[in-house]
Amino acid sequence: DILMTQSPSSLAASVGDRVTITCRASQGISNFLAWYQQKPGKVPKLLIYAASTLQSGVPSRFSGSGSGTDFTLTISSLQPEDVATYYCQKYNSAPLTFGGGTKVEIK
Amino acid sequence: QVQLVQSGAEVQKPGASVKVSCKASGYTFIDYYVHWVRQAPGQGLEWMGWINPNTGGTNYAQKFQGRVTMTRDTSISTAYMELSRLRSDDTAVYSCARDPGSYGTYYFDYWGQGTLVSVS
Repeated sequence: DILMTQSPSSLAASVGDRVTITCRASQGISNFLAWYQQKPGKVPKLLIYAASTLQSGVPSRFSGSGSGTDFTLTISSLQPEDVATYYCQKYNSAPLTFGGGTKVEIK
Repeated sequence: QVQLVQSGAEVQKPGASVKVSCKASGYTFIDYYVHWVRQAPGQGLEWMGWINPNTGGTNYAQKFQGRVTMTRDTSISTAYMELSRLRSDDTAVYSCARDPGSYGTYYFDYWGQGTLVSVS
């Protein structure tokens, strides 16, 4: 199975900071990658699919990039409501697997 | 609007089975796969499998093969996930999620609210 590794596992940044989260696949997955945001006590919310396509209704400060094995999620200007855990997920084929998550907090 | 509404929390004993329901509304149920994902307390997300509501076809993660059964009732737009031979490490929130592609694209655009299954 393809392993998805996220880094860092947690980070703290100030409001307005640019935040970058990395996701690495153990094998190439083209652009079959999605990003989700999970706030405490809630189910995940789709942010990005196809590595860089913003889901409808998601603020434009979120962006994704990458292809093959290396991917990034960027928050251009961190807002208090962005406090959450972020997960990547590969979907080129089953089994579908998630990264371990990155917890984002406000400094 | 698309909604997935799941059944309520369950407490089960080790060795028992649990069946969680997921009622869809706001779209044509048979047109989109339904996936099941679980999350143990304080842990990450784990995909369990999918069902094609149109055909009833399924694909289960190898880890759950033999213990999980996904079914659907198209007359009431509801998908079900049954997990048998429960163990304490099956304690988790179980969520259904819709696949946005008509033939399965394998990511998830809408989620149910989650159902806590406690095994004790």
